[in-house]
Amino acid sequence: GNSVTQMEGPVTLSEEAFLTINCTYTATGYPSLFWYVQYPGEGLQLLLKATKADDKGSNKGFEATYRKETTSFHLEKGSVQVSDSAVYFCALSPSGNTPLVFGKGTRLSVIA
Amino acid sequence: SAVISQKPSRDICQRGTSLTIQCQVDSQVTMMFWYRQQPGQSLTLIATANQGSEATYESGFVIDKFPISRPNLTFSTLTVSNMSPEDSSIYLCSATGVLYGYTFGSGTRLTVV
Repeated sequence: GNSVTQMEGPVTLSEEAFLTINCTYTATGYPSLFWYVQYPGEGLQLLLKATKADDKGSNKGFEATYRKETTSFHLEKGSVQVSDSAVYFCALSPSGNTPLVFGKGTRLSVIA
Repeated sequence: SAVISQKPSRDICQRGTSLTIQCQVDSQVTMMFWYRQQPGQSLTLIATANQGSEATYESGFVIDKFPISRPNLTFSTLTVSNMSPEDSSIYLCSATGVLYGYTFGSGTRLTVV
């Protein structure tokens, strides 16, 4: 079946540190991959996505590259800010009309 | 992308009662889904809301406990029935369409006392 595994949190970083949150997936076919962010007390917001191998999604300084050979979609940011503190979810869609499958989420805390 | 208006945003309910959550999308979408997010956890799919027919439920969720309606392409409701404290969660609706990708409502934070 389809599944997403992402690194356990919480992750605590100092401001301006480099961020990596690992995400690997299991899926049949060629899924689309997503990163969502959930700020405290809020709903889910799409951060970035990639729909095919070697695509790079990027937004707000965050990046992730769809690596089919390693079935990975790791999230990176070169310099985190306090405002990036949130829970990050990796997700996949097996096809356009199927529900997203989510990882467990990784809580990021950035301290000044 | 499509915008989903979800309400109520939060509620505190007595055990044994029911709460109906509504989601209105500002444009026609193909699929709508309902998720539950228990405290500190990831999102778990409850069901797919099918337009004009019965919802498709995931293992562990039943229609009697979580009846769902979707009378048209832009509106769906989820009812949490006969609530207990274990139902305290955030409930989110999601929609997807050819043009819009996946969009989420802002969530309903439910506390059962």
